[in-house]
Amino acid sequence: EIVLTQSPGTLSLSPGERATLSCRASQSVSSTSLAWYQQTPGQAPRLLIYGASTRATGIPGRFSGGGSGTDFTLTISRLEPEDFAVYYCQQYGSSPLTFGGGTKVEIK
Amino acid sequence: QVQLVQSGAEVKKPGASVKVSCKASGYTFTSYGISWVRQAPGQGLEWMGWISAYNGNTNYAQKLQGRVTMTTDTSTSTAYMELRSLRSDDTAVYYCARYSTSGGLGYWGQGTLVTVSS
Repeated sequence: EIVLTQSPGTLSLSPGERATLSCRASQSVSSTSLAWYQQTPGQAPRLLIYGASTRATGIPGRFSGGGSGTDFTLTISRLEPEDFAVYYCQQYGSSPLTFGGGTKVEIK
Repeated sequence: QVQLVQSGAEVKKPGASVKVSCKASGYTFTSYGISWVRQAPGQGLEWMGWISAYNGNTNYAQKLQGRVTMTTDTSTSTAYMELRSLRSDDTAVYYCARYSTSGGLGYWGQGTLVTVSS
């Protein structure tokens, strides 16, 4: 099973700042099979990025994904108020599918 | 538009079973599988398994093997997830989800809260 470790656990930032979230895999993940999700309280997760770097339909350009192998990142270039949420990475290239533990982006 | 609509909240006693439904619309049901993901209160996301809506093939998370059964009814475009021998740590919001055409779980149900309590 591929274990995904996200860091930091919590990121305290102000609106307008840049957020960089990390997702590290216990073994190599196919770049075509790494996704990022955003979840706000009481809501289902929302797909942001798939294939490590491709934005899903309707996702603003301030969200970008990158990385390969075992190290992946999600960057939010300038935080908007609606971006304060929990973010999860997921690998879907090998079974079982696994999620990272999440990074909470909170208002400083 | 693609929609996944789940059944309502459930309260069950330890040892009981629960069956959650997920009705799909807006696409050809048999063209995509359905994944089930759960989230315990205040915790992260846990993949439970997947079922092909085309032929019923399943792939379950090892920790749930023997307690979970996923099925589909193609006549009503509905997927089901049954979990047996419920324990308190099965208390969670259960989501069904479908892959987008390009990758990632692009469509999610609204979630079903299952509470296991004596």
